[in-house]
Amino acid sequence: AQTVTQSQPEMSVQEAETVTLSCTYDTSESDYYLFWYKQPPSRQMILVIRQEAYKQQNATENRFSVNFQKAAKSFSLKISDSQLGDAAMYFCAYRPTTSGTYKYIFGTGTRLKVLA
Amino acid sequence: SAVISQKPSRDICQRGTSLTIQCQVDSQVTMMFWYRQQPGQSLTLIATANQGSEATYESGFVIDKFPISRPNLTFSTLTVSNMSPEDSSIYLCSVHSLSYEQYFGPGTRLTVT
Repeated sequence: AQTVTQSQPEMSVQEAETVTLSCTYDTSESDYYLFWYKQPPSRQMILVIRQEAYKQQNATENRFSVNFQKAAKSFSLKISDSQLGDAAMYFCAYRPTTSGTYKYIFGTGTRLKVLA
Repeated sequence: SAVISQKPSRDICQRGTSLTIQCQVDSQVTMMFWYRQQPGQSLTLIATANQGSEATYESGFVIDKFPISRPNLTFSTLTVSNMSPEDSSIYLCSVHSLSYEQYFGPGTRLTVT
């Protein structure tokens, strides 16, 4: 069965510093998508970044970047120059590309606190 | 991206009653999804709502408890029936983009007393 594990229930980072959130997953599929979602206290889930498994290059979106290690089944999120608005729950998610499969599998989340 | 609204945003309901949650999308989509997020936990998929056919439920969720309607390509409802305190959760609807990203509604926070 496919699983997504986030081993850090909570992380803290000083404003303007860098923090890395960990995510590992288990799958026998060779092609899939990985995502990081952010859920602020207002609870609207927002897509932060996505990575296609067939791409070797790590995805980057402004201050957010990933370290995708396919062999190790690891997908960490790095937030650079952390801002107070980055405080939220972060969920790692997996979705296979198998035709007709639309189910996402979410990790348990990491609560990020940003200290002023 | 899709803009999704949900009604109500929150409600407090008594045990044994039912609540219908509405989800409206600003564009036509083939499939809509309903998730439950229990306090402090991750998201669990309840069902996939397809227009013109019955919803597809995930293991552990049944139609009698969570009936879903999908009358058109922009709207869906989820009913939480015969509620108990264990149903207290945030209920989220979502849609997929053509590039496989999910867009979520703001959620409905349900408290059952």
